[in-house]
Amino acid sequence: ETGVTQSPTHLIKTRGQQVTLRCSSQSGHNTVSWYQQALGQGPQFIFQYYREEENGRGNFPPRFSGLQFPNYSSELNVNALELDDSALYLCASSSATGGRAKNIQYFGAGTRLSVL
Amino acid sequence: QKEVEQDPGPLSVPEGAIVSLNCTYSNSAFQYFMWYRQYSRKGPELLMYTYSSGNKEDGRFTAQVDKSSKYISLFIRDSQPSDSATYLCASAYSSASKIIFGSGTRLSIRP
Repeated sequence: ETGVTQSPTHLIKTRGQQVTLRCSSQSGHNTVSWYQQALGQGPQFIFQYYREEENGRGNFPPRFSGLQFPNYSSELNVNALELDDSALYLCASSSATGGRAKNIQYFGAGTRLSVL
Repeated sequence: QKEVEQDPGPLSVPEGAIVSLNCTYSNSAFQYFMWYRQYSRKGPELLMYTYSSGNKEDGRFTAQVDKSSKYISLFIRDSQPSDSATYLCASAYSSASKIIFGSGTRLSIRP
């Protein structure tokens, strides 16, 4: 177990709705990254948060947004859901305090989102 | 062209065989190379982490990076049925940057 927890485990929404996914990072980690993994594909980077600020973003539209809280937990929000948003959403935490080994990203089990 | 290319398989080998998994990457700026294992309905689990070129060994697993040919390999010795999973190769520019994944190779170890 990595110590990264995500909720909920599964979620079913309809097209046009909004969704919020949550992530608690591993103890001592201050950086959270979010990834989208479509079926049969590798994870794709959405964005990263460090000290409550967005610190890099992948090729995802603005309707994907996030927050990081003072305790380093994080939320991913997706507005105006589309069918193609159906995927496994993964959160990864790491510690950007220096040293190569400490910046390894550890993943949670993910939230499986189905958009109907 | 994807930045990290990986044969999706599936790959099926008998128990005890040596498994070789391979990836190529296109961006010479990548400095960090990783292999993750992902079981069905689980998140990726870090197996091996390598900086720059060279070999790294951990138990039955050996990771190799050849930056001159932009080739990443993972070898599994004495493969076990519990090794059956999807293996994801990945690269990163820096230790804290986004990770760029291959599409994953499905591996099945037959008892």
